[in-house]
Amino acid sequence: AQSVSQHNHHVILSEAASLELGCNYSYGGTVNLFWYVQYPGQHLQLLLKYFSGDPLVKGIKGFEAEFIKSKFSFNLRKPSVQWSDTAEYVCAMNTRSGYGGSQGNLIFGKGTKLSVKP
Amino acid sequence: DAGVTQSPTHLIKTRGQQVTLRCSPKSGHDTVSWYQQALGQGPQFIFQYYEEEERQRGNFPDRFSGHQFPNYSSELNVNALLLGDSALYLCASSLFSQGVGETQYFGPGTRLLVL
Repeated sequence: AQSVSQHNHHVILSEAASLELGCNYSYGGTVNLFWYVQYPGQHLQLLLKYFSGDPLVKGIKGFEAEFIKSKFSFNLRKPSVQWSDTAEYVCAMNTRSGYGGSQGNLIFGKGTKLSVKP
Repeated sequence: DAGVTQSPTHLIKTRGQQVTLRCSPKSGHDTVSWYQQALGQGPQFIFQYYEEEERQRGNFPDRFSGHQFPNYSSELNVNALLLGDSALYLCASSLFSQGVGETQYFGPGTRLLVL
């Protein structure tokens, strides 16, 4: 079955520390991959996405993610976190059909809560 | 540019009742998807509407139904409410694409409590 796994439930970092959040997916075909972020009191916002091309994608607020097909992974990174990065980070995917279009349903991981200490 | 809006923000119902949730997509979008998010879980796909028809459906019973209007707004209806239907219901909108993919943008959600 198609699934997305985020193995870190809660990550606590100090400001200026580097961040890497894991995301692995289970699907043998072509996928689109997304990272969403939910800041406290706000709704889900798109952080970055990968459809095709350069496997290293850059998003808002200095975040980037690398798609490694051989590892079925799409890990999120940031070289130096700030207190304002405290949020829930959710990885998601959808699959691509044979004609190239994508399936409508996003499949989400359970999310990783990031707490950044000032 | 207004984003995705949902109403109401909160709702309390009792078992057996019916509920209707509403969603207005982001300007320029024509596709609406609905998700259910239980506490501590990631969102689960309910269905997606495009051109006023259900384009795709997740693993939810027929008690969950929807509608899309000509202005692209959408409703989610749940009949015969169960305690387990208590959740955050998220609406996402996107622009339909025959290409490689669509990006879904989410609204703030409607929190439903079934007593």
